[in-house]
Amino acid sequence: GESVGLHLPTLSVQEGDNSIINCAYSNSASDYFIWYKQESGKGPQFIIDIRSNMDKRQGQRVTVLLNKTVKHLSLQIAATQPGDSAVYFCAESKSGSARQLTFGSGTQLTVLP
Amino acid sequence: GAVVSQHPSWVICKSGTSVKIECRSLDFQATTMFWYRQFPKQSLMLMATSNEGSKATYEQGVEKDKFLINHASLTLSTLTVTSAHPEDSSFYICSARDEEELSTNEKLFFGSGTQLSVL
Repeated sequence: GESVGLHLPTLSVQEGDNSIINCAYSNSASDYFIWYKQESGKGPQFIIDIRSNMDKRQGQRVTVLLNKTVKHLSLQIAATQPGDSAVYFCAESKSGSARQLTFGSGTQLTVLP
Repeated sequence: GAVVSQHPSWVICKSGTSVKIECRSLDFQATTMFWYRQFPKQSLMLMATSNEGSKATYEQGVEKDKFLINHASLTLSTLTVTSAHPEDSSFYICSARDEEELSTNEKLFFGSGTQLSVL
């Protein structure tokens, strides 16, 4: 049948502001979560990860928050810069063979000058 | 961090021909590699799990005779798109994790992707 293209959710922020990108995951058995950044025509780049025994983890300018009760993950980027413009994907996995990652739909972040 | 090298970055081919994409782990060994497919403005969809020395595991709906996977060494997996057609045009991405660090490091590292255009 005919396939319908999905449109990525978009987020536009002013340079210097903080960005919050949200993700709802589907599998309550997932115990590992990860955020990737993907620039156009490139493979995903690791940003930050978190295990299910934590609810917050901080990196350089980035923070990931995990709410297992509502199966929600967020990525906060402080002082957003033009180089942060990209598509951001969350992914989840659960313990078991191969530890396959299941990706969310992605969010297009655009940083305005 | 671990580096995954993917080649070629882009390829244009005629309908009916076959195209091989290589994925190498440069500074680590990987008994398992993953192949994803991505359409424009969409997420990554897992196609198959490549297993060194054994058959690949394909996701539901992915034709194993269409997308041949060979993982002959601990650092190389190849994906061959056989008898390519325009609907196979897509961005193909491989990934792997450093299995020596699995206890502390579960992140997947991705190749740079291959844009396949079938005319």
